[in-house]
Amino acid sequence: SAVISQKPSRDICQRGTSLTIQCQVDSQVTMMFWYRQQPGQSLTLIATANQGSEATYESGFVIDKFPISRPNLTFSTLTVSNMSPEDSSIYLCSVSGQGVTGELFFGEGSRLTVL
Amino acid sequence: AQSVTQPDIHITVSEGASLELRCNYSYGATPYLFWYVQSPGQGLQLLLKYFSGDTLVQGIKGFEAEFKRSQSSFNLRKPSVHWSDAAEYFCAVVIKAAGNKLTFGGGTRVLVKP
Repeated sequence: SAVISQKPSRDICQRGTSLTIQCQVDSQVTMMFWYRQQPGQSLTLIATANQGSEATYESGFVIDKFPISRPNLTFSTLTVSNMSPEDSSIYLCSVSGQGVTGELFFGEGSRLTVL
Repeated sequence: AQSVTQPDIHITVSEGASLELRCNYSYGATPYLFWYVQSPGQGLQLLLKYFSGDTLVQGIKGFEAEFKRSQSSFNLRKPSVHWSDAAEYFCAVVIKAAGNKLTFGGGTRVLVKP
């Protein structure tokens, strides 16, 4: 299994600001995923981040709001732009297991509160 | 549209009692099936998975799950719960035809009474 570290673990942000979340993996992985977990809700996939190409966004999520970088095979960032209280969520980075379709390993998440 | 349903939002169980969490999916083909657990303030941890073969799969922490094709279900069980099992449990599926994306159910929160 992969060890995934996310920063920050939590933050309180002001409306209209942007915050970048970092995800570091202890091994090289092809696919990284960003999920959002709104309060009391399940997880929703925001986008898939592949090294060397643009991220692939799910319906309802756009690059201008959630720009993603994937500079190498062990690191990715997700920015939440122009935040509003509705963006208060836990944002989780995940990576796929080696050779196992669909199995994901997750970081501990970044809990954002927007005032 | 594909979906994963966990009918029980909350379950309260006494410590030492058995636990069963329900999960149903609506797909034409057999998906890959997973159960994850999220302890308070933690990320998600994989409990077990089913891809093929024996329909009863064993996982970590004493959990098991049974795939029933006829019922489109993948229920999670534990014979005797511990206070540390209090957490949120998520069923998830992957459909290869849908691009191998992991889709989560709504989750079931388990409370354990002393």
